[in-house]
Amino acid sequence: GENVGLHLPTLSVQEGDNSIINCAYSNSASDYFIWYKQESGKGPQFIIDIRSNMDKRQGQRVTVLLNKTVKHLSLQIAATQPGDSAVYFCAEKASGTYKYIFGTGTRLKVLA
Amino acid sequence: DSGVTQTPKHLITATGQRVTLRCSPRSGDLSVYWYQQSLDQGLQFLIQYYNGEERAKGNILERFSAQQFPDLHSELNLSSLELGDSALYFCASSVEGENTIYFGEGSWLTVV
Repeated sequence: GENVGLHLPTLSVQEGDNSIINCAYSNSASDYFIWYKQESGKGPQFIIDIRSNMDKRQGQRVTVLLNKTVKHLSLQIAATQPGDSAVYFCAEKASGTYKYIFGTGTRLKVLA
Repeated sequence: DSGVTQTPKHLITATGQRVTLRCSPRSGDLSVYWYQQSLDQGLQFLIQYYNGEERAKGNILERFSAQQFPDLHSELNLSSLELGDSALYFCASSVEGENTIYFGEGSWLTVV
């Protein structure tokens, strides 16, 4: 289940530092966005979501920022921990549709 | 544990064969989604069912088909298998009206 063959962009951060993972989405009609975390050999796990009527949403140690002007989404992870090492995907969905479009993913490596 | 159950977890089969992947959605979820994750293409949407009816279709090959049964479990049938069909196949489910979709752990298919 590892994405070892994917040429994913990789972000390496020191344990305890903050991480910022970026995603450019494609559809200006998308009104709902989700960040997923996928650990090796597991299915994507929901982290946080945001609707297009918001530009920021905070969870536990995570913050999602949405910039609709440039169709950009980011996930900020505070005080990154070794357990945060995974591939992170953003997903978008347009209003009135049922199809979620996933980004290619970013591999986060936490350095001890 | 997302509550979405997929079987089998691993499957090895020969080219030209047919396999069936099974998914049980979270309790109460009416929508089921199928995604393919291959090494070079990330998460690709295949098809969605809602309460037994096909609701949305993605890049699903004609050799592939799916259905959702009255008890809401779903099956993805892959036939005339080719080497390029080797991938992780994920099922996800959601409650009608709720945008978040929850993924199972996937079925890893290897075609040899």
